[in-house]
Amino acid sequence: DQQVKQNSPSLSVQEGRISILNCDYTNSMFDYFLWYKKYPAEGPTFLISISSIKDKNEDGRFTVFLNKSAKHLSLHIVPSQPGDSAVYFCAASARRNAGNMLTFGGGTRLMVKP
Amino acid sequence: KAGVTQTPRYLIKTRGQQVTLSCSPISGHRSVSWYQQTPGQGLQFLFEYFSETQRNKGNFPGRFSGRQFSNSRSEMNVSTLELGDSALYLCASSLVVAGVSSTDTQYFGPGTRLTVL
Repeated sequence: DQQVKQNSPSLSVQEGRISILNCDYTNSMFDYFLWYKKYPAEGPTFLISISSIKDKNEDGRFTVFLNKSAKHLSLHIVPSQPGDSAVYFCAASARRNAGNMLTFGGGTRLMVKP
Repeated sequence: KAGVTQTPRYLIKTRGQQVTLSCSPISGHRSVSWYQQTPGQGLQFLFEYFSETQRNKGNFPGRFSGRQFSNSRSEMNVSTLELGDSALYLCASSLVVAGVSSTDTQYFGPGTRLTVL
C-alpha cells in the first residue's frame, strides 16, 4: 500500500507563476515531511522540510504547507523559474518509531516554460 | 564541506554475480541510509546504519546486506544478482544530533547505476 502519494505525475507552469505540488499520506505516525528535487541520474537534493508541530515553513521561494487533519502537504514555488524544472518527491518519516527511514511518493515532474 | 560520495557511479554485472557499493557520508554525519530507485517501484528504503549497527531495514530479501565502518563509511552488498536488481542505488547521510530520535535531514549522494545483464 502506498503510504505517500503524489497524484499528479506532471505539472506544467509558466515562468514567473506559482507552482503548487501536492502530496497525500495515510500513516498517522508520520511526523516529519520533506521535499526533494531530482534531476535524472543524480541523487535527490533536499529543498525544505516541516515538522508535524507546524503547519507552514518558508525558505526563500519555497513554502511547504501541512494540513494534518487532511493528511495533506503541498509545496509552493513562487516565482517559478525554468531551472526549477525537475522531478519533485515528497517524503515522510515516523521519527519516533522508525528513525531515519523515509517513505517517498512517486514524484511529480515539474516543467517551467520560459 | 564535501557532499555524500558514492563509488562506483556505474556498474554492469551479470545475473548470479555479487556486487559491493560504497558510500562516504558528509563529514560528521553518523547515519547512513540506502535506497533503491526503479521506474516501477520508485524510491524504496533498503536499510539504515548508525554507529556501525543496522537500525532499520526495509522490505528487501536477504540478498541485500550492508555494513558501516567506524569512520561512518558504509557499503552495501547484493548477492546472486537478478535482472530486477537493475536500479539506481542511493546513499543518504544525516547528522543524528539527537541520538535515537532522528530529527535530521538526509542528504543524498549521486547514486550508483547498476545494470544487471
